[in-house]
Amino acid sequence: DQQVKQNSPSLSVQEGRISILNCDYTNSMFDYFLWYKKYPAEGPTFLISISSIKDKNEDGRFTVFLNKSAKHLSLHIVPSQPGDSAVYFCAAKNRDDKIIFGKGTRLHILP
Amino acid sequence: KAGVTQTPRYLIKTRGQQVTLSCSPISGHRSVSWYQQTPGQGLQFLFEYFSETQRNKGNFPGRFSGRQFSNSRSEMNVSTLELGDSALYLCASSPTGTGFYEQYFGPGTRLTVT
Repeated sequence: DQQVKQNSPSLSVQEGRISILNCDYTNSMFDYFLWYKKYPAEGPTFLISISSIKDKNEDGRFTVFLNKSAKHLSLHIVPSQPGDSAVYFCAAKNRDDKIIFGKGTRLHILP
Repeated sequence: KAGVTQTPRYLIKTRGQQVTLSCSPISGHRSVSWYQQTPGQGLQFLFEYFSETQRNKGNFPGRFSGRQFSNSRSEMNVSTLELGDSALYLCASSPTGTGFYEQYFGPGTRLTVT
């Protein structure tokens, strides 16, 4: 039973445009959400997070939106840069502090 | 501050053998979690240790075990290796108790079972 779903395995975006990565979840008890970026041969690195009591969090070029009624969150990257090409993982924390990851979306930034 | 370190980085084992992987968290971090990453499956949670106690456990068979030492360093052990255990094993540490749940990952140990 996959509680955190990233339905797009890959996404290609032109450099300078907006990248939107989506994530759906099924467990309404998740109270904290995170996005990680992963380059090949490296561990994931934390990007941005959002508490379930908020609907938006912004950090530089990265903004995460949370729609609790739809059990959906998205990561917006604007403007997209070549170094943003990586695999992005959505993750959610339950009340027991267990972190559940999605399968990831590979983002390709096109020149 | 030094990051999370994992040893070894690469490992080749034969079916039926056992393996021990090591993780040193960021100094001051008391929580250490282990994940298995395989193509198409994302990161699957194995277990989390906090203050030498297993606090959370994922849905993996008992062949997968771990422990944490008083200095927060952690090891995970896989016994009776199967071909399907070939994966990237990632360790992550976090400063639990601060209200922040961000985890800091090591580079991983690439395990190949032949």
